[in-house]
Amino acid sequence: EIVLTQSPGTLSLSAGERATLSCRTSQSVRDNHFAWYQQHPGQAPRVLIYGATTRAAGIPDRFSGSGSGTDFTLTISRLEPEDFAVYYCLQYADSPRTFGQGTKVEIK
Amino acid sequence: EVQLVESGGGLVQPGGSLRLSCAASGFTFSSHWMYWVRQPPGKGLMWISRISSDGSSTTYADSVEGRFTISRDNAKSTLYLQMNSLEVEDTAVFFCARAHPISWHFDLWGRGTLVTVSS
Repeated sequence: EIVLTQSPGTLSLSAGERATLSCRTSQSVRDNHFAWYQQHPGQAPRVLIYGATTRAAGIPDRFSGSGSGTDFTLTISRLEPEDFAVYYCLQYADSPRTFGQGTKVEIK
Repeated sequence: EVQLVESGGGLVQPGGSLRLSCAASGFTFSSHWMYWVRQPPGKGLMWISRISSDGSSTTYADSVEGRFTISRDNAKSTLYLQMNSLEVEDTAVFFCARAHPISWHFDLWGRGTLVTVSS
């Protein structure tokens, strides 16, 4: 099983600031089968990035994904009020599919 | 509208059973592999089961193997999760999710249904 470790656990920032979230995997993720999700309380996760770098339909360009192998990054260039949420990474290269434990982006 | 809607959650005693449903609409259900993912209160996401587009192949997480059964009815565009021998640790919001047929990521999620296992 591929273990995903996200850092930091919590990110305290102000609107307009840049957010950098990290996800490290215990094994290399083949074919960059890697995604990022956003989840607000009481809601379903929403895909932001898949294939490590491809923005999903309707996702603003302030969200960007980078990385390959075992190190992946989600960057939010300028935080908007609606971006304060929990973010999860997912690898879908191998079974079982596994998620990171989440990074909470909170208002400072 | 393209959506997934879960139902069937509720309060059940340890050792009991529950059947969850996930109704799909707005897309060709039979073209997609489908997944169940759960989220215990205040915790992260965990994949628990998947089923192939035609229902011929199923896989389970170790924690639910032998207790849970995933199935689907493509004629009704509905996914199911039969949960038996429920444990307190199974308490969670259960989401169904659709896999993109080409890129394989989870591209559509339902809003979830809460299962509470308690005496």
